[in-house]
Amino acid sequence: AQKVTQAQTEISVVEKEDVTLDCVYETRDTTYYLFWYKQPPSGELVFLIRRNSFDEQNEISGRYSWNFQKSTSSFNFTITASQVVDSAVYFCALSEADNQGGKLIFGQGTELSVKP
Amino acid sequence: KAGVTQTPRYLIKTRGQQVTLSCSPISGHRSVSWYQQTPGQGLQFLFEYFSETQRNKGNFPGRFSGRQFSNSRSEMNVSTLELGDSALYLCASSSGTAKGNTIYFGEGSWLTVV
Repeated sequence: AQKVTQAQTEISVVEKEDVTLDCVYETRDTTYYLFWYKQPPSGELVFLIRRNSFDEQNEISGRYSWNFQKSTSSFNFTITASQVVDSAVYFCALSEADNQGGKLIFGQGTELSVKP
Repeated sequence: KAGVTQTPRYLIKTRGQQVTLSCSPISGHRSVSWYQQTPGQGLQFLFEYFSETQRNKGNFPGRFSGRQFSNSRSEMNVSTLELGDSALYLCASSSGTAKGNTIYFGEGSWLTVV
């Protein structure tokens, strides 16, 4: 069965701390795609990154970095030097091989609170 | 380039009524999907439309329906509203023509059923 697990329901850090959000997925497909989204209180899901299963290179974008490890079926997200504006709910999602459209399987989300 | 636009943003309905939500995808995108987000169930896929045809469907009762127009705009309808239908309804768009398309979301419609 396809499943995404974000075991951390809530995380609270103080500004400038580094924080890692965990994501573990399950799929029988060899080709699949993984996503991270940020959801601020306004409700919109903001796209952060898309990674396909054949690309295991880690990625860095400013203060954000992602670590993809197929061996452990994990796609973790690290925010370096966190800021108050990073406070939001973060979702990890899986898109399977035959999906050409918008069907994503989401984790339950991790609520990140960054305190000044 | 304009993002995904959803209307209305907020609405309150009474049990038993019906509601229609609207979504305009990113220009050029032909796939529109709908999601329901609740505190208890999280983000759940409702259905996807591509070129005016339902291409994928989640596990929701028939009270939830949708359609897509020739300009790719989409509507979803919920009939005979129940209290449990109170949720954030999110629309997402993508090109829909390749596997693993990046999927972009709108701000959502907050529905409260009283």
